[in-house]
Amino acid sequence: QQQVKQSPQSLIVQKGGISIINCAYENTAFDYFPWYQQFPGKGPALLIAIRPDVSEKKEGRFTISFNKSAKQFSLHIMDSQPGDSATYFCAASMIGKSTFGDGTTLTVKP
Amino acid sequence: DVKVTQSSRYLVKRTGEKVFLECVQDMDHENMFWYRQDPGLGLRLIYFSYDVKMKEKGDIPEGYSVSREKKERFSLILESASTNQTSMYLCASGGRGGTTDTQYFGPGTRLTVL
Repeated sequence: QQQVKQSPQSLIVQKGGISIINCAYENTAFDYFPWYQQFPGKGPALLIAIRPDVSEKKEGRFTISFNKSAKQFSLHIMDSQPGDSATYFCAASMIGKSTFGDGTTLTVKP
Repeated sequence: DVKVTQSSRYLVKRTGEKVFLECVQDMDHENMFWYRQDPGLGLRLIYFSYDVKMKEKGDIPEGYSVSREKKERFSLILESASTNQTSMYLCASGGRGGTTDTQYFGPGTRLTVL
């Protein structure tokens, strides 16, 4: 039973474009929704996170949009740069545990 | 600076061997986790621990066990390694007993079982 569905599996964007990655969850008990960024040979690292009492959170070029009623959330990367090329994981967390999406490999072409 | 270290970056073992993967964190976190990462499958939780000597099964515990004798150290044990356990293993720590919080990951151990 996959509790967090992430799409697309891979994404290619031109430099300066907008990258959008979507996630959907099933369990309404989740109370923390982080996005992690992973570069080759490294462990994932927190990029940005949101709690369900807000609909949007922005940090620099990265924005999470959260739709509680639809049980969906998305990551928007504005002005995408080649250095953003990485694998991105969404997660949904409760009681200390996180359930991860399958990941999206983002390639930003110069 | 936050740090999670794993004992090996690369490991090659033979089928049937007992394998120990160790993880140490220096952030005084109560929660620690072991995941395996396979292409297209994301991160799957094997075991987690909210405190010393405490352990809980994750989504795929079969074939694995864990040990947490000290707060900063969480070990993953493969009692009898099999080829289907060839994978990237990631340790993480984060937060206090059962509270949802950011997880900090180690660099991973790529295990190959021949």
